[in-house]
Amino acid sequence: QITLKESGPTLVRPTQTLTLTCSFSGFSLSTNEVGVGWIRQPPGKALEWLALIYWDGDKRLSPSLKTRLTIAKDTSRNQVVLTMTNVDPADTATYYCGHRPHDHLVFDSWGQGILVTVSS
Amino acid sequence: QSALTQPASVSGSPGQSITISCTGTSDDVGGYALVSWYQQFPGKAPNLLIYEVNKRPSGVSPRFSGSKSGSTASLTISGLQAEDEADYYCCSFAVTSAFVFGTGTTVTVL
Repeated sequence: QITLKESGPTLVRPTQTLTLTCSFSGFSLSTNEVGVGWIRQPPGKALEWLALIYWDGDKRLSPSLKTRLTIAKDTSRNQVVLTMTNVDPADTATYYCGHRPHDHLVFDSWGQGILVTVSS
Repeated sequence: QSALTQPASVSGSPGQSITISCTGTSDDVGGYALVSWYQQFPGKAPNLLIYEVNKRPSGVSPRFSGSKSGSTASLTISGLQAEDEADYYCCSFAVTSAFVFGTGTTVTVL
């Protein structure tokens, strides 16, 4: 059974850097084609894909946010870390991490999400 | 990369069929058979309903079906039930990024 869980601060000040961790079990990020991604959802708004990291370290970032995002993996600890610099109140959202299986370009398992509020 | 366009809301009576559209471009929906759909209940994480345009993961009701024509994908819910009230999002591979989501559709059962 695949499980994922997001962790990190729930309140961040504007201009600060946000660091979120996705801890997972039930799969290995060293398996070919497997990936872990991040998706966010502002309150009452749509889902927005942010980033994806593959088993081989290949990374994909949202073009609109790529200058502010970093994604990294720690395969031995079964964790993926998303970093977002210079946060703004518009970055207030529930942040989800998701499992990208080896054979399909989808997120077939999701974490419960973490609500991050950006406010002074 | 702009979000895929979905109607904000769709409604139907129990037992009816409804269809949600998802319009993109040749750089995403129109160029690849990599459209997926997600169902999301309030306060919950999304759940995968359809992948690769028209395939259902194990456990998903056959009342949910997907299709695509050109740059528009569609999700059809047949035999609408009260439990289908939720938000629905399409998603596609995009040439400029790995994923692009739709604007989301709220389904109401009358």
